[in-house]
Amino acid sequence: GQNIDQPTEMTATEGAIVQINCTYQTSGFNGLFWYQQHAGEAPTFLSYNVLDGLEEKGRFSSFLSRSKGYSYLLLKELQMKDSASYLCAAMEYGNKLVFGAGTILRVKS
Amino acid sequence: KAGVTQTPRYLIKTRGQQVTLSCSPISGHRSVSWYQQTPGQGLQFLFEYFSETQRNKGNFPGRFSGRQFSNSRSEMNVSTLELGDSALYLCASSLASRGGYTFGSGTRLTVV
Repeated sequence: GQNIDQPTEMTATEGAIVQINCTYQTSGFNGLFWYQQHAGEAPTFLSYNVLDGLEEKGRFSSFLSRSKGYSYLLLKELQMKDSASYLCAAMEYGNKLVFGAGTILRVKS
Repeated sequence: KAGVTQTPRYLIKTRGQQVTLSCSPISGHRSVSWYQQTPGQGLQFLFEYFSETQRNKGNFPGRFSGRQFSNSRSEMNVSTLELGDSALYLCASSLASRGGYTFGSGTRLTVV
């Protein structure tokens, strides 16, 4: 069956580093996506991992371990504007994205 | 370049009616997917079209249908609306998986 698990909420301080974990179990696997969604807005693409390892893109990094069914999104030098919902999504064969429920990140000053 | 355009942005319908939502993908993108987002269920996959063919379908009843035109624009239709169909319907287009799926702003459907 399909299962994507990520924490419901996290709180971190401006300037700090936060890691959002995601575990997945899907029928077939063709990559792992992270999206950011601000309240009332569309999800915006952050990263895509299909091979094991770390992908770095500015303040954001994403890691994947296919053998463990595990990924994380690392956000450095947190800013207030990073307060949003972060969605982990696994792509099954056939270009079907299976989303987790999302992690609401609150950045406090 | 223009992003993914969805129309209308907001819609209010009565139970039993039918509704058609429209999505224009980014120019050059041939893959269009539809998702339903609700507070309780999160984002759920409806279907995906590529070159006018439905390639994949989620676990939604047959009341939900879609199509894609030769210019890659896509429509989804929901017939015999139920209160539980109230949701944000998101369309996403893609050139290739690695580039990610770009979402439109969505159509917020309210069924009363």
